[in-house]
Amino acid sequence: DGGITQSPKYLFRKEGQNVTLSCEQNLNHDAMYWYRQDPGQGLRLIYYSQIVNDFQKGDIAEGYSVSREKKESFPLTVTSAQKNPTAFYLCASSRVPNEQFFGPGTRLTVL
Amino acid sequence: KQEVTQIPAALSVPEGENLVLNCSFTDSAIYNLQWFRQDPGKGLTSLLLIQSSQREQTSGRLNASLDKSSGRSTLYIAASQPGDSATYLCAVGVAGGTSYGKLTFGQGTILTVHP
Repeated sequence: DGGITQSPKYLFRKEGQNVTLSCEQNLNHDAMYWYRQDPGQGLRLIYYSQIVNDFQKGDIAEGYSVSREKKESFPLTVTSAQKNPTAFYLCASSRVPNEQFFGPGTRLTVL
Repeated sequence: KQEVTQIPAALSVPEGENLVLNCSFTDSAIYNLQWFRQDPGKGLTSLLLIQSSQREQTSGRLNASLDKSSGRSTLYIAASQPGDSATYLCAVGVAGGTSYGKLTFGQGTILTVHP
């Protein structure tokens, strides 16, 4: 099946720890995106990539890092510099600038 | 900076009612507008995409309209069903530059359809 997968579904982080969220797509889309969703709020863009080996900061990039070494993959690392990382993280992809498709999400909780 | 507002924040209706969800945006220089549905704890499902040159799109019981000049879009749901209960999100796509393809989201409308 074509689609976007995210793993893990749930992730727990201790204070001071870096964690990496996985996002893979087999839709042959050039562009990929990471969003953060907090309770009762819309989505906010963290990072996006329109092509392999290139990415741009979104509106709330501080404390996060990404890489785009392969077209299919766009992992997000939540670093210890992110002071309030507890949130629902969503990955999306598209053929720029068309319809975006989303993965099932990863819920990150800081212990 | 583009801002997207959705009204109402929450809506509760009886089954069978026709309803309208509203979305407004501050910058009319958009490339497209997308409506999504989100069920609790799940990712987003794309419902309708309207390109900036279009006035409306339809899919089944859903109809979305776009008025760029006034910065507004509406999502019309006909003959609502309990299965339509979800959060509905509106997002506008930026036109041009390195921001090409970026979406700015509204905060969503929580819809409850009761039997």
